Amino acid sequence: EVVLTQSPGTLSLSRGERVTLSCRASQSVSHSYISWYQQKPGQAPRPLIYAASRRATGIPDRFSGSGSGTDFTLTISSLEPEDSAFYYCQQYGTSLTWTFGQGTTVEIK
Amino acid sequence: QVQIVQSGAEVKKPGASVQVSCKVSGHTLSELSIHWVRRAAGRGLEWMGGFDPGNGETAYAREFQNRVTMTQDTSKDTASLEVRSLRSDDTAVYYCVAVGLQGDDWGQGTLVTVSS
Repeated sequence: EVVLTQSPGTLSLSRGERVTLSCRASQSVSHSYISWYQQKPGQAPRPLIYAASRRATGIPDRFSGSGSGTDFTLTISSLEPEDSAFYYCQQYGTSLTWTFGQGTTVEIK
Repeated sequence: QVQIVQSGAEVKKPGASVQVSCKVSGHTLSELSIHWVRRAAGRGLEWMGGFDPGNGETAYAREFQNRVTMTQDTSKDTASLEVRSLRSDDTAVYYCVAVGLQGDDWGQGTLVTVSS
């Protein structure tokens, strides 16, 4: 079973700053089957990135994903107030099994 | 895009069972892989299980293996999740997720509260 570890636990940054979130897998993730989700209070998670780097439909281009093997990154190039949320990475692999990281909280100062 | 409507909030006593359903539209259920994910207060997202219509396979997370059953009624385009032997730490919002060729769509979530 793949374990995903996200860091940091919480980030507090100012509007316009660059945000880098990390997701490390306990073993290599085949085909870079890593997704990123954003969740705001009272809302369902929203897909941001599929297959490590492919933006989901309607996602602003300030969101980007990168990485391969065991190390993956979500970058927000210029933080906006509406980006304040929880962020989760997810591994979906070639089997049915999913795994989520424990999440990172992004706050606006 | 798939539209998903989940059943309403539930309040259950410890030891009881609960069934949460989700009706999909925009695609037929047989074209979609349905997964269930929950989020309890103070915790992150937890994957509970998923179904692959291609081969009929169902997989459950180890921690839910003996307490959870996922079913589908393709004639009604409705999927269901049953959780048995409820405990207070099962209090959470339960999400139905439909995965298709274009990505995944999430239901609005169903709050299940377990309290004596």
